[in-house]
Amino acid sequence: GQNIDQPTEMTATEGAIVQINCTYQTSGFNGLFWYQQHAGEAPTFLSYNVLDGLEEKGRFSSFLSRSKGYSYLLLKELQMKDSASYLCAVRENAGNMLTFGGGTRLMVKP
Amino acid sequence: DTAVSQTPKYLVTQMGNDKSIKCEQNLGHDTMYWYKQDSKKFLKIMFSYNNKELIINETVPNRFSPKSPDKAHLNLHINSLELGDSAVYFCASSQDPNSYGYTFGSGTRLTVV
Repeated sequence: GQNIDQPTEMTATEGAIVQINCTYQTSGFNGLFWYQQHAGEAPTFLSYNVLDGLEEKGRFSSFLSRSKGYSYLLLKELQMKDSASYLCAVRENAGNMLTFGGGTRLMVKP
Repeated sequence: DTAVSQTPKYLVTQMGNDKSIKCEQNLGHDTMYWYKQDSKKFLKIMFSYNNKELIINETVPNRFSPKSPDKAHLNLHINSLELGDSAVYFCASSQDPNSYGYTFGSGTRLTVV
């Protein structure tokens, strides 16, 4: 089975930087994903890490350490529209489905 | 055109009824999924369907059954609905089981009364 943990809620200020952490315990590993989900909407894909290190995509970056079972999503220059839930998901083995964490609800304040 | 479309968007029904949720994708993807998101916002995989191979999450009750008339459709049929089935159900698709970037449908909010 899989255990994926992330904080339930976070609050940050517009223009600031926020880091959302995710830890996982799995018997296998074939990729870690981050999704964004606005209230009442579908999750949308943000990033994918399968090797250790940092993947940068605009204001969003995602980091992975496989030895530590740890990832984080870094959001820079926060905007009000970034208020959403951020879901960490792990694929345990090739060809398997994704298992999601409970999501981190981020509130961006002026 | 919507890439992954689900109908209906909202469904309110009584306990004991049988209902279906439809999903269609026009992305040419080979793999489709059904996820359930409960009130605590946990997204849990229910089914994966790829080239007529069905992978079932063992925790899903057999009252739930996926039906795929063709590669572009994966419908979800639910028998004898229970109060605990109330949730948002998301359909998703991907190019293949190893690809990233699932595309999700907009969800169906099911309320069982």
